[in-house]
Amino acid sequence: EIVLTQSPATLSLSPGERATLSCRASQSVSSYLAWYQQKPGQAPRLLIYDASNRATGIPARFSGSGSGTDFTLTISSLEPEDFAVYYCQQRSNFLLTFGGGTKVEIK
Amino acid sequence: EVQLVESGGGLVQPGRSLRLSCAASGFTFDDYAMHWVRQAPGKGLEWVSGISWNSGSIGYADSVKGRFTISRDNAKNSLYLQMNSLRAEDTALYYCAKDLVVVADNPGYFDYWGQGTLVTVSS
Repeated sequence: EIVLTQSPATLSLSPGERATLSCRASQSVSSYLAWYQQKPGQAPRLLIYDASNRATGIPARFSGSGSGTDFTLTISSLEPEDFAVYYCQQRSNFLLTFGGGTKVEIK
Repeated sequence: EVQLVESGGGLVQPGRSLRLSCAASGFTFDDYAMHWVRQAPGKGLEWVSGISWNSGSIGYADSVKGRFTISRDNAKNSLYLQMNSLRAEDTALYYCAKDLVVVADNPGYFDYWGQGTLVTVSS
């Protein structure tokens, strides 16, 4: 099973600041990595897939990068609605795993 | 509009069984893989199981392998999860999720989610 480790666990930032979230895989997942946003009481929302492709309707301030074992989700300028928990997820041979999540909170 | 509606959750004793259902609408159900993802109270997301568009490929998390069985009925636009030998650690909100890619050879991203059905395993 591929383990995904997200860091930091919590990121305290102000609106307008840049957020950089990290996801590290225990072995290479090529570019088969996605990012999701989850707000309290809501189902997750797909943001990025295949490491760098924005899902339908996702604003351009969200971007993803990386390949192999190291990946980054960047939010260029935080909007009030971006404060949430973010998860990375890999797909590998139909044995899918999520990272533990990064909470982006208002400073 | 894509809709996924889960049902079948509830309170069940350890060792017993439960069957979850997911009714899908708003898309061509038999073109997409489908998945179950769960979230224990206050915890992160855990993929449970997935099934390809034609039921030819099925995957399970190690934590449920041998106890849970995923299936689908394309004629009824429905996804199922048979859960046997339930344990306290299976307590979670269970989401039904649609795969992103049509007729995917290697499914594994979730673009639409239901609101979940709560399973509580307790004596």
